[in-house]
Amino acid sequence: NAGVTQTPKFQVLKTGQSMTLQCAQDMNHNSMYWYRQDPGMGLRLIYYSASEGTTDKGEVPNGYNVSRLNKREFSLRLESAAPSQTSVYFCASSERRRRGDTGELFFGEGSRLTVL
Amino acid sequence: RKEVEQDPGPFNVPEGATVAFNCTYSNSASQSFFWYRQDCRKEPKLLMSVYSSGNEDGRFTAQLNRASQYISLLIRDSKLSDSATYLCVVNPYNAGNNRKLIWGLGTSLAVNP
Repeated sequence: NAGVTQTPKFQVLKTGQSMTLQCAQDMNHNSMYWYRQDPGMGLRLIYYSASEGTTDKGEVPNGYNVSRLNKREFSLRLESAAPSQTSVYFCASSERRRRGDTGELFFGEGSRLTVL
Repeated sequence: RKEVEQDPGPFNVPEGATVAFNCTYSNSASQSFFWYRQDCRKEPKLLMSVYSSGNEDGRFTAQLNRASQYISLLIRDSKLSDSATYLCVVNPYNAGNNRKLIWGLGTSLAVNP
């Protein structure tokens, strides 16, 4: 049972470098999310995707781009990394029923990113 | 006032103890509530949804108090494996839209032998 898989698990970047975090889920969920988690801050939503081909900005989208390639995959790209983007990034997915998202989010194991 | 507030702890309790956490929320129109558990350096996992009538799952009981705007989590007969951070999550708007979920900072629990 893979659930939500995200790669890489660890990455060190220099300021200005770019990278893409990959995320895939095998639960046939429509809704997918990218969060970041920082000390002293709750989980903050970067981007959300309700279905293939649609994406919406979350609370902290600046400096990030996303791509919902298909129903399974939702990638997060940092075009020009900054030290402020040092964080733990979590991808998540949830089932979306006729009345909307269900409340249970399934998370990947996280990607620890350090920007020097 | 923060939208979702939790006592960060840590709560240090012996095995077998009963421990309770509260979480207050500021938006009285909030629609849905959850407790997630996050182990150290791991991802959050849903522990329980919180229903208006209260709900119980084994040793865990969740309650909602709309009048005072808080939810609670009670853990009975604590186990070493209960050591984790417990995150309170509130949906202040449309219950079917997870884009607006607000995550608390978590309450740290350490269960000691």
